[in-house]
Formats: sequence, structure tokens, C-alpha cells
Amino acid sequence: KQEVTQIPAALSVPEGENLVLNCSFTDSAIYNLQWFRQDPGKGLTSLLLIQSSQREQTSGRLNASLDKSSGRSTLYIAASQPGDSATYLCAVYTENTGNQFYFGTGTSLTVIP
Amino acid sequence: NAGVTQTPKFQVLKTGQSMTLQCAQDMNHEYMSWYRQDPGMGLRLIHYSVGAGITDQGEVPNGYNVSRSTTEDFPLRLLSAAPSQTSVYFCASSPGRPPQPQHFGDGTRLSIL
Repeated sequence: KQEVTQIPAALSVPEGENLVLNCSFTDSAIYNLQWFRQDPGKGLTSLLLIQSSQREQTSGRLNASLDKSSGRSTLYIAASQPGDSATYLCAVYTENTGNQFYFGTGTSLTVIP
Repeated sequence: NAGVTQTPKFQVLKTGQSMTLQCAQDMNHEYMSWYRQDPGMGLRLIHYSVGAGITDQGEVPNGYNVSRSTTEDFPLRLLSAAPSQTSVYFCASSPGRPPQPQHFGDGTRLSIL
């Protein structure tokens, strides 16, 4: 079974700081990896999707990278803002183990004004 | 555009009671799924459907039933609620099967006493 881990579980940074969130997975035979944002009491909003053939994707101040061979992805947030405060989850789709998405436990980010 | 709508948003049940969590989408998506989110764990797949009349089990199906009589609706039934089913439940939909990205509802917070 695919295991997805996100470290740290919680992160607090001052406004304006650049930061990196980490996602690691045990089975490197993934089809794609997705980063989500979850606000309190809300569902998941997709931020970035990286196909297994890609190394990175960018959207505004967000950049996600993928290293399949090492089983890692990072989400880089530039010039953080208080509105970035949320929980960030990663999910991988793998065909070898169950044909489903496997989700990490998330990193809770607080950006302090 | 409503997207994926889940009702109710909150529910408290007593052990042994039954109830149905509703999920509706207005995007004409063929694929719908139910997840549960528990503290310290990633989202886990309960059941999914690839189209009207077709459902299948996910990773944690025990204690839950689903049906898909229309494309729009995918209700989740708890047959006899147990405290272990206390969780936040998310419904998601996508135009086709994974690995297509999914759209999530805002969740139902369920407490079993």
C-alpha cells in the first residue's frame, strides 16, 4: 500500500517569508501528484497537479516539484501572506496499489501578520 | 455554480442509529466518491461510483452502503452508527475515473455518541 507522509505537521512563519512544504511517498510508481489547500470547515481545493513525467508546476506564488526516484515532492510558497494560512495536503495516484488517490495527513500553515 | 453539495454539514447520532449523508453534483460528472478524514490520517476512500448504477468498494467500506440511481446523486448510508465512524466525510466528483482531478464538497462533520 502507498504511504504518503507530510512533514512538518504544523508550521508557523512571519508574513513575507518564503517556505517549503514536504510530501514523501513510498511507491515511486505514481501516475500524478496533486497539492490541495483545505480551509477550516471547507473541502479541498486543488492547487497544482504534476504528472509523473513532469518535474515541476507553477501557479502564481506557488511552485510544486516532483522527484519520483526519491519519492518526494515539495510545495514552495513565495512571499507568504496571512491569506495563505490553511492546511496543505498532497495526494498521489498510483496504479500499482489500488487504483486510487492516497492522501497525506497535511501540513497546517499559519502566516503571522 | 454549486459544484459538489453535501448535506447536512453537521450531525450527531447515537450508537446504533442509521442515517444518510447526501451528496449532489451539478457538473454531469461520471465519477463520484466518498472519503473520510480522521485526525492524524489522510483521507481514506470509502466507496466510489464510475457512473449511474455502478458502485464499488474503496479502502474502508465496512459499515457503509452507497447507491447511484442518477448521475447527480451519490448518498452514503450508515447502517448502524458506531463511535468509530465519528469523522468528517467528504464527497468528490470528477468527469471520469482517476487520475482525473476531483472536485470536493465542503464535508459533513459526524459525531457518534
